[in-house]
Amino acid sequence: DSGVTQTPKHLITATGQRVTLRCSPRSGDLSVYWYQQSLDQGLQFLIQYYNGEERAKGNILERFSAQQFPDLHSELNLSSLELGDSALYFCASSPRGLTRGTDTQYFGPGTRLTVL
Amino acid sequence: AQTVTQSQPEMSVQEAETVTLSCTYDTSENNYYLFWYKQPPSRQMILVIRQEAYKQQNATENRFSVNFQKAAKSFSLKISDSQLGDTAMYFCAFFSGTYKYIFGTGTRLKVLA
Repeated sequence: DSGVTQTPKHLITATGQRVTLRCSPRSGDLSVYWYQQSLDQGLQFLIQYYNGEERAKGNILERFSAQQFPDLHSELNLSSLELGDSALYFCASSPRGLTRGTDTQYFGPGTRLTVL
Repeated sequence: AQTVTQSQPEMSVQEAETVTLSCTYDTSENNYYLFWYKQPPSRQMILVIRQEAYKQQNATENRFSVNFQKAAKSFSLKISDSQLGDTAMYFCAFFSGTYKYIFGTGTRLKVLA
């Protein structure tokens, strides 16, 4: 158990809908990362937050947005869902997310999103 | 742009034998970090080992060790005394001062009884 929690574990929805995925980082971790893993593919970095502020952006679609709240939990919002958005969405956290010397990322169990 | 390449989509090894998974990367940066993550059928991502680029000594964690060749930009993972529980997808990852992790496409390892 990494200490990172994600809810829900599974989510089934229809095209055009909007969903929110939630992530609680490990106690004391300030940085949260979101990744998308489509079937049998590697992880694609979406976005990183550090202490409430966006720090880095990857291949995140405009239909997707995220935020990190004062209590450091984070939410990933996916809207106007398409079939191709079906994937496993991982959240990871790290203590600092600094550039000089890095922390290890600890991954949550993931949320499996199925868009029908 | 940084890239991470895992050229072996699938590998298999007999239980108790040794296997090496390869990873190469491309970067113009001097300070960075490399990781191997394991993703078993449960789909959980588990850190196996990490290596700081400024350290010449290869990292070791129990049965897992790396062969880090900075000049060649190579970062292979050796698994000794393979166990059935090592069956998983293994991802090589790169992190630098751009704050972003870049993952390879993975190597599916099957340990045979």
